[in-house]
Amino acid sequence: GEDVEQSLFLSVREGDSSVINCTYTDSSSTYLYWYKQEPGAGLQLLTYIFSNMDMKQDQRLTVLLNKKDKHLSLRIADTQTGDSAIYFCAESSSIKAAGNKLTFGGGTRVLVKP
Amino acid sequence: EAQVTQNPRYLITVTGKKLTVTCSQNMNHEYMSWYRQDPGLGLRQIYYSMNVEVTDKGDVPEGYKVSRKEKRNFPLILESPSPNQTSLYFCASKGQGANIQYFGAGTRLSVL
Repeated sequence: GEDVEQSLFLSVREGDSSVINCTYTDSSSTYLYWYKQEPGAGLQLLTYIFSNMDMKQDQRLTVLLNKKDKHLSLRIADTQTGDSAIYFCAESSSIKAAGNKLTFGGGTRVLVKP
Repeated sequence: EAQVTQNPRYLITVTGKKLTVTCSQNMNHEYMSWYRQDPGLGLRQIYYSMNVEVTDKGDVPEGYKVSRKEKRNFPLILESPSPNQTSLYFCASKGQGANIQYFGAGTRLSVL
């Protein structure tokens, strides 16, 4: 089946930039998403990017997509303690359940140290 | 307010005791689905429904049933729960042609 891979853990100092990486295998991916899950909470959609885009910026968040290498990254500028959470990368494809199915990575736990 | 509502939020049960987790959305979405979240594995799709009376298996359907009799509701049924179904469950919905899925707050299930 199609895979989405992420590193398990990232530690970053408060004020620094965080970069969370994701690789995927499905060449028909249409949209790629980043979700945030704070401890004990549900999923919050942070941002998403269409597969024909290279970059998307939204305040402190920058998403970079290298479609050739099937590599997605999320950069968080000026990381704060409130950014400590699990971050999930996910992709959808127009050929999987008419574009409705999301395939998730295993999640990257980000710990922000003061 | 647009939302996906799951109930219960927390449930502890014993092996073999049938249970149902309800999911309801108020956005008139055609597509609904269930995921389970396990550490290191992310979210995996259990079942999905493209519309009323149209359901299909996801990646991990064993031990689960669903039904879609009304557009707004998509219950998840565990006929005979087992400890390996201890997990965090999420329901999601999405409108036709939309890019974004809306997730419920999650149901944490423990099967003893």
